Amino acid sequence: EAQVTQNPRYLITVTGKKLTVTCSQNMNHEYMSWYRQDPGLGLRQIYYSMNVEVTDKGDVPEGYKVSRKEKRNFPLILESPSPNQTSLYFCASSWTGFNQPQHFGDGTRLSIL
Amino acid sequence: DAKTTQPTSMDCAEGRAANLPCNHSTISGNEYVYWYRQIHSQGPQYIIHGLKNNETNEMASLIITEDRKSSTLILPHATLRDTAVYYCIVRGSDNDKLIFGTGTRLQVFP
Repeated sequence: EAQVTQNPRYLITVTGKKLTVTCSQNMNHEYMSWYRQDPGLGLRQIYYSMNVEVTDKGDVPEGYKVSRKEKRNFPLILESPSPNQTSLYFCASSWTGFNQPQHFGDGTRLSIL
Repeated sequence: DAKTTQPTSMDCAEGRAANLPCNHSTISGNEYVYWYRQIHSQGPQYIIHGLKNNETNEMASLIITEDRKSSTLILPHATLRDTAVYYCIVRGSDNDKLIFGTGTRLQVFP
């Protein structure tokens, strides 16, 4: 089954403790992206990747890092999490091209205390 | 900034067609109209997209006006599981990302 898988689904942690949210897709998509969703602000793009070893900043990249060493994986790294990064995070993937629909994972709910 | 305008909320009786309108009066020639929905806090689910022709798939139909300034998503036989927030998104060659507005909250009632 074609899918985008995120782990963990839920995480409660403390300020400053490094964490990684994994994202994996099995559709051989070139394009992958991370979004965060906050009440009243909708979904905002954090980082995206057009292909292996190619990443770029989205609208709200501060406090986040990403890497794309393999086509299927696109982890989101919070080196020193802070409470303002408490949010619902979604990973998405697609074929390259603005006429290609993006497919989303089920989300990761992070709470930073 | 979102380039679309949608009603905040709509109701639909179960089994009836749900017609969700979207205004995108500033759409340009190479921009597609996409529809996604989000059920509670699940990941956004792709529904359908189109450029200028009407489109139909197993989930819905998309009707785009001839001037492309508006469109309607049609769920032909709404069920309770179609209760969700529906997002209409315009996306062109300068937009790798999806810009989600506030969407339409569709409530399907028995």
